[in-house]
Amino acid sequence: KNQVEQSPQSLIILEGKNCTLQCNYTVSPFSNLRWYKQDTGRGPVSLTIMTFSENTKSNGRYTATLDADTKQSSLHITASQLSDSASYICVVSDRGSTLGRLYFGRGTQLTVWP
Amino acid sequence: EADIYQTPRYLVIGTGKKITLECSQTMGHDKMYWYQQDPGMELHLIHYSYGVNSTEKGDLSSESTVSRIRTEHFPLTLESARPSHTSQYLCASSGGQGTYNEQFFGPGTRLTVL
Repeated sequence: KNQVEQSPQSLIILEGKNCTLQCNYTVSPFSNLRWYKQDTGRGPVSLTIMTFSENTKSNGRYTATLDADTKQSSLHITASQLSDSASYICVVSDRGSTLGRLYFGRGTQLTVWP
Repeated sequence: EADIYQTPRYLVIGTGKKITLECSQTMGHDKMYWYQQDPGMELHLIHYSYGVNSTEKGDLSSESTVSRIRTEHFPLTLESARPSHTSQYLCASSGGQGTYNEQFFGPGTRLTVL
């Protein structure tokens, strides 16, 4: 069964601190993995996309890693800001699907305190 | 910010009412999707469309129906709303070929059925 598991479920950090969010998946055959940011009451917005051959991808203060062998990914946030408070969702796509079917994790709810 | 719009953003209605959730995109994307999301839970695909006159049911069984008469418009209808339909509904679209295509999400409609 194709699944995406994220940890921790929630996280509270102080402004300026770094944090790392985890994602494990069993989706096969694997195509790509995205990290989305979802602000409260809004739709998800893509932060990074990683394909099978990519190990690291950065987008500003966000750095995603992918280990396709262990089927794990992480999202590292550097120098957190209050605006980083959101749910971060790991999304995996399977290969060969013309629809581009996505498998969603439940997200990590990040709260950044001043 | 993606050019995909949903109305209304919030809707509170009584049991038995017929409702239509609107979704429009101005990106010319062929594929469109409806997801259902409950608090703290993953997104579940309930309907999708490959293009005009194409509609398919997703992974999660839903009593709602959809139509795709125009490329840019993908409304979702509930003939008789029930409290179990209370949820957030997210519309998304993607273009091009293959599974690398990013799905762009609308802001969502939060539906409450009393």
